Amino acid sequence: EVQLVQSGAEVKTPGESLRLSCKGSGYSFSTYCIGWVRQVPGKGLEWMALICPGDSETRYSPSFQGQVTISFDKSISTVYLQWSSLRGSDTAMYYCARRPDRTGYFDFWGRGTLITVSS
Amino acid sequence: DIQMTQSPSTLPASAGDRVTITCRASQSISSWLAWYQQKPGKAPKLLIYKASTLESGVPSRFSGSGSGTEFTLTISSLQADDSATYWCQQSYSYPWTFGQGTKVEMK
Repeated sequence: EVQLVQSGAEVKTPGESLRLSCKGSGYSFSTYCIGWVRQVPGKGLEWMALICPGDSETRYSPSFQGQVTISFDKSISTVYLQWSSLRGSDTAMYYCARRPDRTGYFDFWGRGTLITVSS
Repeated sequence: DIQMTQSPSTLPASAGDRVTITCRASQSISSWLAWYQQKPGKAPKLLIYKASTLESGVPSRFSGSGSGTEFTLTISSLQADDSATYWCQQSYSYPWTFGQGTKVEMK
Protein backbone atom coordinates (compact mmCIF):
# COMPACT_ATOMS: atom_id res chain seq x y z
CA GLU A 1 0.00 0.00 0.00
CA VAL A 2 1.34 3.38 -1.03
CA GLN A 3 1.69 5.82 1.87
CA LEU A 4 3.01 9.34 2.25
CA VAL A 5 3.24 10.00 5.96
CA GLN A 6 3.68 13.64 6.87
CA SER A 7 4.97 15.07 10.12
CA GLY A 8 2.55 16.48 12.66
CA ALA A 9 0.99 19.89 13.06
CA GLU A 10 3.18 22.69 14.33
CA VAL A 11 2.59 26.01 16.08
CA LYS A 12 5.47 28.43 15.65
CA THR A 13 6.29 32.06 16.28
CA PRO A 14 7.53 34.38 13.51
CA GLY A 15 11.25 34.07 12.88
CA GLU A 16 11.48 30.44 13.96
CA SER A 17 12.80 27.72 11.69
CA LEU A 18 10.87 24.60 10.69
CA ARG A 19 11.35 21.38 8.78
CA LEU A 20 8.43 19.30 7.53
CA SER A 21 8.88 15.69 6.52
CA CYS A 22 7.11 13.35 4.11
CA LYS A 23 8.02 9.66 4.31
CA GLY A 24 7.13 7.45 1.38
CA SER A 25 6.48 3.72 1.57
CA GLY A 26 4.89 0.99 -0.49
CA TYR A 27 6.61 2.04 -3.71
CA SER A 28 10.06 2.59 -5.21
CA PHE A 29 11.08 5.91 -3.65
CA SER A 30 13.58 6.81 -6.38
CA THR A 31 11.10 6.25 -9.20
CA TYR A 32 8.81 9.11 -8.23
CA CYS A 33 9.28 12.80 -7.57
CA ILE A 34 7.72 14.47 -4.54
CA GLY A 35 6.18 17.91 -4.58
CA TRP A 36 4.84 20.25 -1.93
CA VAL A 37 1.57 22.15 -2.27
CA ARG A 38 0.35 24.91 0.03
CA GLN A 39 -3.27 25.60 0.88
CA VAL A 40 -4.15 28.56 3.02
CA PRO A 41 -7.35 27.72 4.95
CA GLY A 42 -10.38 28.33 2.75
CA LYS A 43 -8.20 29.17 -0.26
CA GLY A 44 -6.69 27.56 -3.32
CA LEU A 45 -3.82 25.19 -4.03
CA GLU A 46 -0.33 26.56 -4.71
CA TRP A 47 2.51 24.43 -6.10
CA MET A 48 5.68 25.23 -4.17
CA ALA A 49 8.51 22.89 -5.12
CA LEU A 50 9.39 19.50 -6.53
CA ILE A 51 12.31 17.14 -6.07
CA CYS A 52 13.16 13.88 -7.79
CA PRO A 53 15.28 11.53 -5.65
CA GLY A 54 16.24 9.50 -8.71
CA ASP A 55 18.28 12.25 -10.35
CA SER A 56 18.11 15.07 -7.76
CA GLU A 57 16.20 17.34 -10.16
CA THR A 58 14.79 20.22 -8.12
CA ARG A 59 12.27 22.86 -9.09
CA TYR A 60 10.82 25.80 -7.18
CA SER A 61 7.95 28.12 -7.86
CA PRO A 62 9.28 31.68 -8.13
CA SER A 63 6.75 32.58 -5.43
CA PHE A 64 8.57 30.33 -2.96
CA GLN A 65 12.15 30.34 -4.29
CA GLY A 66 14.44 31.59 -1.54
CA GLN A 67 11.72 31.18 1.09
CA VAL A 68 11.85 27.37 1.43
CA THR A 69 14.29 24.55 0.75
CA ILE A 70 13.31 21.11 -0.49
CA SER A 71 15.60 18.13 0.12
CA PHE A 72 15.53 14.37 0.54
CA ASP A 73 17.18 11.48 2.36
CA LYS A 74 17.01 8.43 0.15
CA SER A 75 18.17 6.13 2.96
CA ILE A 76 14.90 6.75 4.84
CA SER A 77 12.67 7.51 1.84
CA THR A 78 11.88 10.97 3.15
CA VAL A 79 11.50 14.36 1.55
CA TYR A 80 11.74 17.56 3.55
CA LEU A 81 10.55 21.14 3.23
CA GLN A 82 12.23 23.67 5.45
CA TRP A 83 12.07 27.33 6.40
CA SER A 84 14.85 29.28 8.10
CA SER A 85 12.57 32.09 9.25
CA LEU A 86 8.80 31.69 9.33
CA ARG A 87 6.29 34.47 8.76
CA GLY A 88 2.66 34.76 9.71
CA SER A 89 1.79 34.42 6.03
CA ASP A 90 3.23 30.87 6.10
CA THR A 91 0.21 29.75 8.12
CA ALA A 92 -1.37 27.05 5.95
CA MET A 93 -1.87 23.37 5.29
CA TYR A 94 1.07 21.81 3.46
CA TYR A 95 0.62 18.68 1.39
CA CYS A 96 3.30 16.47 -0.06
CA ALA A 97 2.32 14.56 -3.19
CA ARG A 98 3.88 11.98 -5.49
CA ARG A 99 4.56 12.63 -9.16
CA PRO A 100 5.08 9.65 -11.44
CA ASP A 101 8.24 9.90 -13.55
CA ARG A 102 8.00 12.12 -16.62
CA THR A 103 4.42 13.14 -15.93
CA GLY A 104 2.74 16.34 -14.89
CA TYR A 105 0.37 15.33 -12.16
CA PHE A 106 0.29 14.16 -8.55
CA ASP A 107 -1.18 10.69 -8.28
CA PHE A 108 -1.04 10.28 -4.49
CA TRP A 109 -1.15 12.84 -1.69
CA GLY A 110 -0.20 12.90 1.96
CA ARG A 111 -2.82 13.92 4.52
CA GLY A 112 -1.26 17.33 5.04
CA THR A 113 0.52 19.18 7.84
CA LEU A 114 -1.06 22.28 9.36
CA ILE A 115 1.42 25.00 10.20
CA THR A 116 0.32 27.92 12.35
CA VAL A 117 2.66 30.87 12.70
CA SER A 118 1.56 33.40 15.28
CA SER A 119 3.12 35.67 17.85
CA ASP B 1 3.29 32.00 -15.18
CA ILE B 2 0.36 30.31 -16.90
CA GLN B 3 -2.94 31.43 -15.40
CA MET B 4 -5.71 28.86 -15.01
CA THR B 5 -9.27 30.15 -14.78
CA GLN B 6 -12.12 27.89 -13.72
CA SER B 7 -15.82 28.52 -14.08
CA PRO B 8 -18.13 28.60 -12.38
CA SER B 9 -16.80 29.19 -8.88
CA THR B 10 -19.83 27.50 -7.34
CA LEU B 11 -22.14 25.02 -9.00
CA PRO B 12 -25.40 24.00 -7.29
CA ALA B 13 -26.78 20.84 -8.85
CA SER B 14 -29.18 18.01 -8.11
CA ALA B 15 -28.53 14.29 -7.97
CA GLY B 16 -28.59 12.86 -11.46
CA ASP B 17 -27.66 16.15 -13.15
CA ARG B 18 -24.97 16.35 -15.78
CA VAL B 19 -22.36 18.75 -14.45
CA THR B 20 -19.67 20.52 -16.48
CA ILE B 21 -16.76 22.55 -15.14
CA THR B 22 -14.58 24.61 -17.46
CA CYS B 23 -10.89 25.41 -17.08
CA ARG B 24 -9.16 27.90 -19.37
CA ALA B 25 -5.42 28.41 -19.67
CA SER B 26 -3.84 31.78 -20.43
CA GLN B 27 -1.78 30.11 -23.17
CA SER B 28 -1.76 26.74 -24.88
CA ILE B 29 -0.84 23.88 -22.58
CA SER B 30 -1.42 21.06 -25.09
CA SER B 31 -2.95 18.26 -22.99
CA TRP B 32 -0.91 18.85 -19.86
CA LEU B 33 -3.90 19.19 -17.59
CA ALA B 34 -5.05 17.30 -14.53
CA TRP B 35 -8.24 17.44 -12.47
CA TYR B 36 -8.48 16.82 -8.74
CA GLN B 37 -11.35 16.42 -6.29
CA GLN B 38 -11.04 17.72 -2.74
CA LYS B 39 -13.51 17.13 0.06
CA PRO B 40 -13.49 19.24 3.24
CA GLY B 41 -10.62 18.38 5.54
CA LYS B 42 -9.10 15.97 3.05
CA ALA B 43 -6.21 16.02 0.61
CA PRO B 44 -6.92 16.40 -3.10
CA LYS B 45 -7.49 13.23 -5.10
CA LEU B 46 -6.45 12.77 -8.71
CA LEU B 47 -9.37 12.20 -11.10
CA ILE B 48 -8.09 12.87 -14.62
CA TYR B 49 -4.64 13.39 -16.15
CA LYS B 50 -3.41 14.32 -19.61
CA ALA B 51 -6.73 16.12 -20.02
CA SER B 52 -8.82 13.00 -20.63
CA THR B 53 -7.24 9.92 -19.03
CA LEU B 54 -9.26 8.58 -16.11
CA GLU B 55 -7.17 7.66 -13.07
CA SER B 56 -7.51 4.05 -11.99
CA GLY B 57 -10.39 3.52 -9.57
CA VAL B 58 -12.20 6.75 -10.44
CA PRO B 59 -15.85 6.20 -11.38
CA SER B 60 -16.60 6.32 -15.09
CA ARG B 61 -19.18 9.09 -14.59
CA PHE B 62 -16.17 11.44 -14.51
CA SER B 63 -14.65 12.44 -17.83
CA GLY B 64 -12.31 15.10 -19.13
CA SER B 65 -11.86 16.69 -22.52
CA GLY B 66 -10.10 19.52 -24.28
CA SER B 67 -6.68 20.61 -25.43
CA GLY B 68 -4.82 23.83 -26.01
CA THR B 69 -6.47 26.42 -23.80
CA GLU B 70 -9.93 25.09 -23.01
CA PHE B 71 -10.78 22.04 -20.95
CA THR B 72 -13.83 20.54 -19.32
CA LEU B 73 -14.53 18.12 -16.50
CA THR B 74 -17.91 16.43 -16.77
CA ILE B 75 -19.81 14.40 -14.21
CA SER B 76 -22.40 12.54 -16.25
CA SER B 77 -24.82 11.86 -13.39
CA LEU B 78 -24.09 13.68 -10.16
CA GLN B 79 -24.06 11.61 -6.97
CA ALA B 80 -24.25 12.98 -3.42
CA ASP B 81 -20.69 11.74 -2.84
CA ASP B 82 -19.48 14.10 -5.60
CA SER B 83 -20.06 17.19 -3.45
CA ALA B 84 -16.57 18.64 -3.32
CA THR B 85 -14.26 21.28 -4.71
CA TYR B 86 -12.67 20.51 -8.05
CA TRP B 87 -9.31 21.88 -9.17
CA CYS B 88 -7.59 21.92 -12.54
CA GLN B 89 -3.78 22.03 -12.75
CA GLN B 90 -1.41 22.63 -15.65
CA SER B 91 2.02 21.07 -15.98
CA TYR B 92 2.98 22.41 -19.41
CA SER B 93 5.56 24.68 -17.83
CA TYR B 94 6.96 25.53 -14.43
CA PRO B 95 5.66 26.82 -12.14
CA TRP B 96 2.76 24.39 -12.20
CA THR B 97 -0.42 26.30 -11.49
CA PHE B 98 -3.92 25.45 -10.31
CA GLY B 99 -7.26 26.98 -11.09
CA GLN B 100 -9.10 28.77 -8.32
CA GLY B 101 -11.46 25.85 -7.77
CA THR B 102 -15.11 25.02 -8.40
CA LYS B 103 -17.30 24.01 -5.49
CA VAL B 104 -20.04 21.55 -6.49
CA GLU B 105 -22.95 21.63 -4.06
CA MET B 106 -26.05 19.50 -3.88
CA LYS B 107 -29.30 21.42 -4.21
